[in-house]
Amino acid sequence: LAKTTQPISMDSYEGQEVNITCSHNNIATNDYITWYQQFPSQGPRFIIQGYKTKVTNEVASLFIPADRKSSTLSLPRVSLSDTAVYYCLVGLLIKAAGNKLTFGGGTRVLVKP
Amino acid sequence: NAGVTQTPKFQVLKTGQSMTLQCAQDMNHNSMYWYRQDPGMGLRLIYYSASEGTTDKGEVPNGYNVSRLNKREFSLRLESAAPSQTSVYFCASREGQGAWGYTFGSGTRLTVV
Repeated sequence: LAKTTQPISMDSYEGQEVNITCSHNNIATNDYITWYQQFPSQGPRFIIQGYKTKVTNEVASLFIPADRKSSTLSLPRVSLSDTAVYYCLVGLLIKAAGNKLTFGGGTRVLVKP
Repeated sequence: NAGVTQTPKFQVLKTGQSMTLQCAQDMNHNSMYWYRQDPGMGLRLIYYSASEGTTDKGEVPNGYNVSRLNKREFSLRLESAAPSQTSVYFCASREGQGAWGYTFGSGTRLTVV
């Protein structure tokens, strides 16, 4: 999996938009960008995945520029319950189970009242 | 559906004791994984099982053994616990081949004194 770099932590306030940028300069042509969310005392859970341009679901949006060397996860109007660690992962569709998912340190987002 | 169930949720061991962490999934997934997460760190893969009857080492297998008992269950054993194995352990299973398909359990918090 390609190496990723993301901020260690970010603070925000309820109702604000939170944007987390992940750098992945050595992303390969066939690599996808996947984000997981981990609440305290829980395992990570998938939130969004994309290849290029913009992807949106009920939880977040993912913006990917044309060169794909970075991506931005956008959380609209955060609430206290969005306090979590967010992990950016970059890699090919994993065709074999042995291609394990490798998590870096993630970005710790703290939403304040 | 319960998803991925891990037992126990908490455990304290003395150095040198042994124990088995249990994991079961009810989603008919072929692949199962064991990760550990140390404070403020990302997840590191200990062992994985691509399918029933097969297991393989991940990044940090030393001091652990695993058993894929059947398609549903994947256990992790510590033969002689050490303080360095104090961590939160997560079991995961995966649907299909994509990075989005991982489902994690809620974790086992293990302390070795």
